[in-house]
Amino acid sequence: AQRVTQPEKLLSVFKGAPVELKCNYSYSGSPELFWYVQYSRQRLQLLLRHISRESIKGFTADLNKGETSFHLKKPFAQEEDSAMYYCALSGSDYKLSFGAGTTVTVRA
Amino acid sequence: DVKVTQSSRYLVKRTGEKVFLECVQDMDHENMFWYRQDPGLGLRLIYFSYDVKMKEKGDIPEGYSVSREKKERFSLILESASTNQTSMYLCASRSTNGGVSPLHFGNGTRLTVT
Repeated sequence: AQRVTQPEKLLSVFKGAPVELKCNYSYSGSPELFWYVQYSRQRLQLLLRHISRESIKGFTADLNKGETSFHLKKPFAQEEDSAMYYCALSGSDYKLSFGAGTTVTVRA
Repeated sequence: DVKVTQSSRYLVKRTGEKVFLECVQDMDHENMFWYRQDPGLGLRLIYFSYDVKMKEKGDIPEGYSVSREKKERFSLILESASTNQTSMYLCASRSTNGGVSPLHFGNGTRLTVT
């Protein structure tokens, strides 16, 4: 069975402060991990995936297989980062599971 | 640009009705998914289909069924709608050609069952 856990439902930070969204997973094989984002009144969209190892909109995420984590980080949060963020795991059977999501609010 | 279209943005149905939610994608994607999105619970997978005429149960399939007769269309069916099926329903698709690609989502259908 595969599971994704996002322990924080809500996260509030000031503009310019660092932000970290936690994601832990359980999966017996080699998973693919993703972060998806949903801005207000927009559809869900991909933010980044672990195999790309790239930074998108200043966000990075590192897959830590030892800790089974894929935390999302940004050193300096911006107001436009306010959104709902979902961590997701894709297994070898095409199933793609999401966490419960974290709502991020960036205050001026 | 990939387009995933859900036929209805808002739907109101009565308890016991049979409800069809339709989803069409235009990029010849192999995989298609149905999720429901509820506050505090995130996205929960109802059913997915890894190719035409194939279907697999997700994490919460009870009370739902699906149909994928053509590659571009994936239908979610509520056999007898109940109030606890009031939710936002999201359809998504992705390609597995050359490796697994990210999901592309539709705009969602907000279903209210009264």
